[in-house]
Amino acid sequence: DQQVKQNSPSLSVQEGRISILNCDYTNSMFDYFLWYKKYPAEGPTFLISISSIKDKNEDGRFTVFLNKSAKHLSLHIVPSQPGDSAVYFCAASVGTSGTYKYIFGTGTRLKVLA
Amino acid sequence: DAGVIQSPRHEVTEMGQEVTLRCKPISGHDYLFWYRQTMMRGLELLIYFNNNVPIDDSGMPEDRFSAKMPNASFSTLKIQPSEPRDSAVYFCASSHSPRTRRSNEQFFGPGTRLTVL
Repeated sequence: DQQVKQNSPSLSVQEGRISILNCDYTNSMFDYFLWYKKYPAEGPTFLISISSIKDKNEDGRFTVFLNKSAKHLSLHIVPSQPGDSAVYFCAASVGTSGTYKYIFGTGTRLKVLA
Repeated sequence: DAGVIQSPRHEVTEMGQEVTLRCKPISGHDYLFWYRQTMMRGLELLIYFNNNVPIDDSGMPEDRFSAKMPNASFSTLKIQPSEPRDSAVYFCASSHSPRTRRSNEQFFGPGTRLTVL
């Protein structure tokens, strides 16, 4: 049973436009959310995160929005650049045994067209 | 400063053979995680260690999978016997103990692509 869902396996966007990647979760105990970015033949790298006490976090071209009542978060990339083409994983975190487990979604492959 | 190191990068083996994947975490990190990536299930946490001790192995799919961390700088994930459905990319990640949520970021290695024929 997937606790974190990314229902769009792929997304294509024109360079300079906005990319919106979506993520839904089911467990109300999740209190911290992250986006990781993955290029081919590399491991995922941290992109941006948000605590459940906030509804928005911004870092340059990247903004994450959290809607707790809908159990939904989204990542906005503005403007999109060809170098943003990658797989994006949404993750939710819950504290356990001294650290925090990440529950990842299945990923969304973003292609930014030049 | 070297990141998480994994070997081999690619492994092709035949069904029934033993497979051993290796990981060297970032020096000073006291948590180590093993993940498996598949198209259907995304990134799944298999097991994680704290100070070389396994804490949670609830994600290990079956008894054919085992993981060890004999010291702070080395961990192995073993599959014996391997099956075609084990074909996936296996990632190792490491992190500090969480002083803040942000400081608990997990750093991933490049992964091992396993193909079981």
